[in-house]
Amino acid sequence: NAGVTQTPKFRILKIGQSMTLQCTQDMNHNYMYWYRQDPGMGLKLIYYSVGAGITDKGEVPNGYNVSRSTTEDFPLRLELAAPSQTSVYFCASSYPGSHNEQFFGPGTRLTVL
Amino acid sequence: AQSVSQHNHHVILSEAASLELGCNYSYGGTVNLFWYVQYPGQHLQLLLKYFSGDPLVKGIKGFEAEFIKSKFSFNLRKPSVQWSDTAEYFCAVNARKDSNYQLIWGAGTKLIIKP
Repeated sequence: NAGVTQTPKFRILKIGQSMTLQCTQDMNHNYMYWYRQDPGMGLKLIYYSVGAGITDKGEVPNGYNVSRSTTEDFPLRLELAAPSQTSVYFCASSYPGSHNEQFFGPGTRLTVL
Repeated sequence: AQSVSQHNHHVILSEAASLELGCNYSYGGTVNLFWYVQYPGQHLQLLLKYFSGDPLVKGIKGFEAEFIKSKFSFNLRKPSVQWSDTAEYFCAVNARKDSNYQLIWGAGTKLIIKP
């Protein structure tokens, strides 16, 4: 099992550009999450999904969109990138009965200039 | 409001010193608690977890944590740290939010071990 994979590892965007961060898991987990990690701030939940076709906002959803067409994939879309979106983005997954024990991907470091 | 507090943002220790990282949570429901570790340049990995039963839980790499319900605490301990324990440590509680559960995260503690 590859677990949770994310692409790209690094990306530099200009203000106003758009991009999609990819996340795939091969563990057949129902639940998937997107977090951003800023220094000294811990992890903030952007969006989450409890299954294919079902997504919901987390704590900091503004400026982002998600979709979940399959169990495996949970892409995060940034529209009109802003410097405030400079961060490290982590995707995670979990399964029912796990008490929300989450498995993380390697992260994407995004810089918006 | 649900929250997790990690009191020390930075800790510097020498090798072989004992470690205790504090974690306090604010949540009134049944608690499921986690410590995750993030080594430099890597993703978060589960260190240990508490769901129920023995309040002293053991994790990987010699770490342990004690759940004290009366103090709303879940402190992480290691008797003798190694240089390879240099990392950032995050405490989290699984809390009900609206109709689902979410992990509420502490801000993290950066641990630096001097060789």
